[in-house]
Amino acid sequence: QSALTQPASVSGSPGQSITISCTGTSSDVGGYNFVSWYQQHPGEAPKLMIYDVTNRPSGVSSRFSGSRSGNTASLTISGLQAEDEADYYCSSYVRGSTLVFGGGTKLTVL
Amino acid sequence: EVQLLESGGGLVQPGGSLRLSCVASGGTFSTYGMSWVRQAPGKGLEWVSGINSGGGGTYYADSVKGRFSISRDNSKNTLYLQMNSLRAEDTAVYYCAKDRITLSSLDNWGQGTLVTVSS
Repeated sequence: QSALTQPASVSGSPGQSITISCTGTSSDVGGYNFVSWYQQHPGEAPKLMIYDVTNRPSGVSSRFSGSRSGNTASLTISGLQAEDEADYYCSSYVRGSTLVFGGGTKLTVL
Repeated sequence: EVQLLESGGGLVQPGGSLRLSCVASGGTFSTYGMSWVRQAPGKGLEWVSGINSGGGGTYYADSVKGRFSISRDNSKNTLYLQMNSLRAEDTAVYYCAKDRITLSSLDNWGQGTLVTVSS
């Protein structure tokens, strides 16, 4: 059950777009449509932002989008805003009935 | 939206036991799977365990298999995590979360309860 691989940090200026990658294997990210993304602000519980690779829960801004190519999933945030500054985690179902998270990415809005 | 409230955290000595509870409100508890996720101080999220809606399917991370046990009482809208043989590396905030589909995505989270394993 190795953690999915995410960059430790990314940054962007207000209004710009950024992309966070999440790399796994064919036993998780590449093999199932159960890839999710979570946002976590300091001291708060995580919040689901993307589920099933590309879907947004009700109430999540359309500035957030998800995609996948092979064993790598991506979260793109367009029109960066100050309130987007947070930690972001990907997760995936893993063959054998477990769930795994990525190591997390700290997004800084410059 | 489902509201989740964890309890039962605290300070415990290495080798000790603790039982966490998570009470759900605002939804039909018996219709969805649940998970426990932990976060060590300053670290990332780690999925710990999951259970399906009826309680007949239980799933564990390798790091806790054989030491932790997940269960639920649908008549009380309550999820449990029995933690035995606790180690220092189990120190974390423990969140309960509602599965959108069992082991898929977690669409509602509690605020967490802190477990500290130390002598």
